[in-house]
Formats: sequence, C-alpha cells, structure tokens
Amino acid sequence: GALVYQYPRRTICKSGTSMRMECQAVGFQATSVAWYRQSPQKTFELIALSTVNSAIKYEQNFTQEKFPISHPNLSFSSMTVLNAYLEDRGLYLCGAREGSDYTFGSGTRLLVI
Amino acid sequence: GEQVEQRPPHLSVREGDSAVITCTYTDPNSYYFFWYKQEPGASLQLLMKVFSSTEINEGQGFTVLLNKKDKRLSLNLTAAHPGDSAAYFCAVSASSSFSKLVFGQGTSLSVVP
Repeated sequence: GALVYQYPRRTICKSGTSMRMECQAVGFQATSVAWYRQSPQKTFELIALSTVNSAIKYEQNFTQEKFPISHPNLSFSSMTVLNAYLEDRGLYLCGAREGSDYTFGSGTRLLVI
Repeated sequence: GEQVEQRPPHLSVREGDSAVITCTYTDPNSYYFFWYKQEPGASLQLLMKVFSSTEINEGQGFTVLLNKKDKRLSLNLTAAHPGDSAAYFCAVSASSSFSKLVFGQGTSLSVVP
C-alpha cells in the first residue's frame, strides 16, 4: 500500500535556529508533494505545492526564503524552516499525491523555545 | 482561489445522536472531496473520498452528501459514540494534479456518554 513517512516525528529547536524535515513516499510515485502547517487549534494551511517537472509554488504568507523545499525525485521531499520563531510551531504535514489520492505522513511536530 | 468554509467549529452531541458537519466551497471546478478525522496529537485519517459524480456515499457509521448545485458537502455521523470524538476536516481539490487540496477550518466533535 501507499505510505508516507515523515522524519522527525517531533523536534524542538531554539528560537532563531533552523530545522529540516523529510518526507518519503513508499510504494508509489508521488506526482506532487504538498507541505502543510497546522498551527495550534487551527486548520491545515498549505505552505507550498511541489509538482514533478514544475517549479515549487508557494502560497501567500509563505516564501522560499523561509521554507526552502527540495524535491529531487518522485519519492522524496524535504523542507527546512529557517530562523524558526514561536509562530512557526505546529504540526507540519507532508501529503504526497498520486492521481487523485493524497497520502499524508504522520507529521513533524515542531516546538520552538 | 478556492475557499472552503466549514461549520460548526465545535459540536457536542450525546452518544447515540447524530452529528452533522457541513462545508461549502467556491470553485465550481472542484472535483474531489475528502473528509478526514484527526484524533488528539495524531495526523489525518482519511474517512472518505467523494467524486463529483456521486452524491451520496455511505461509510462505516456515517454518510457523506455532496450537493454540487449548492457547492455543499456534509458529513453525517449516525449514532455517534465516544470514539468519534475528534477533529474533522473537509478538503477539496480540482481534478488536475497541479491543483491544491484546500482544507476547511475543522470541527471539534465531542460525543458525551
């Protein structure tokens, strides 16, 4: 079956530092990968959508300078949160799409101190 | 772009009662509709995916209704039990693999014995 692994599951970083998270699709080839953030008590905001053979498209309020994404092949993507501050805390979810189906990882929970 | 409104934000029902959560969307090109369940501290669990051509879908203990004319999607949990207590999210996307999945704001459901 289709699975998406995210690493790490939980992480704590000091304010102003950066952290990288990874997303691995297993059992299928993802035509696109979407990164979402769920801030405390909120819904899932799309950060960026990365589609094979296309440029990564960032949503309003999110920039490549703050959330650089690497999507080197159909099964792997990584995203870095640069200069993390308190408002960056939350659950970061990776969703890998094949056809019409999205498979989500378990998320990386980021705590900023 | 697509906007998805989900209501109510909070819902409390007694065990055995039904619970209805509704989403409205704006993009007439929306084609795929999803309902997800998120238990505390966990990631997203897909409950059901609905195609635009199907109006009524039944799952295990719930029914999903799609009204394309009104651009409305609803989740009806019949005979709710305490294990249904969780956050529920609708999500909508167009058919293209370049289209993004847009989430509703979420509904926090509490089922009391």
